[in-house]
Amino acid sequence: EAQVTQNPRYLITVTGKKLTVTCSQNMNHEYMSWYRQDPGLGLRQIYYSMNVEVTDKGDVPEGYKVSRKEKRNFPLILESPSPNQTSLYFCASRLGQGALNEQFFGPGTRLTVL
Amino acid sequence: AQKVTQAQTEISVVEKEDVTLDCVYETRDTTYYLFWYKQPPSGELVFLIRRNSFDEQNEISGRYSWNFQKSTSSFNFTITASQVVDSAVYFCALSGGAGNNRKLIWGLGTSLAVNP
Repeated sequence: EAQVTQNPRYLITVTGKKLTVTCSQNMNHEYMSWYRQDPGLGLRQIYYSMNVEVTDKGDVPEGYKVSRKEKRNFPLILESPSPNQTSLYFCASRLGQGALNEQFFGPGTRLTVL
Repeated sequence: AQKVTQAQTEISVVEKEDVTLDCVYETRDTTYYLFWYKQPPSGELVFLIRRNSFDEQNEISGRYSWNFQKSTSSFNFTITASQVVDSAVYFCALSGGAGNNRKLIWGLGTSLAVNP
């Protein structure tokens, strides 16, 4: 089954404790992206990757890192989480560069930073 | 600048009523794509439809229909004979961004409650 998986689905952590949210897709998609969803602000792009070893900042990259060492994986790293990073996070993937192609979303990761 | 506006924050209807969710967009691109996603209470994002800027044909899929009008920059979504299972937040989105990113630009969503 074609899908995007994220882990963990739920995470409660404390300020400053490094964490990684994993994202994996099995569709051989070149493009992957991370969004965060916050009430009143909607979904905003954090980082994106056009292909292996090619990543770039989205609209709200501060406090996050990503890597793309393999085509299927695109982890989101919070080196020193803060309470303002409490949010619902979505990973997405898309075939190629064309906007026509549908973005597939993971199930979301609900992160709480205390 | 690119923008998506969903003016209706919350809508409440009784089952079997028809309901239309509004979406107005702004873009300078001549080629662009519009999307609707559903987010049920469980939180995942469910793709509903994609429409490109050159295709103004309305689309119907079961109880769902979409009305795309370039003249008014609108891409409205109608649910006919609503059901309780339609209760969710619905997002309209626009593909945009320079270069190859073509990120999705999202409206803030319309929360639909369908009451029995």
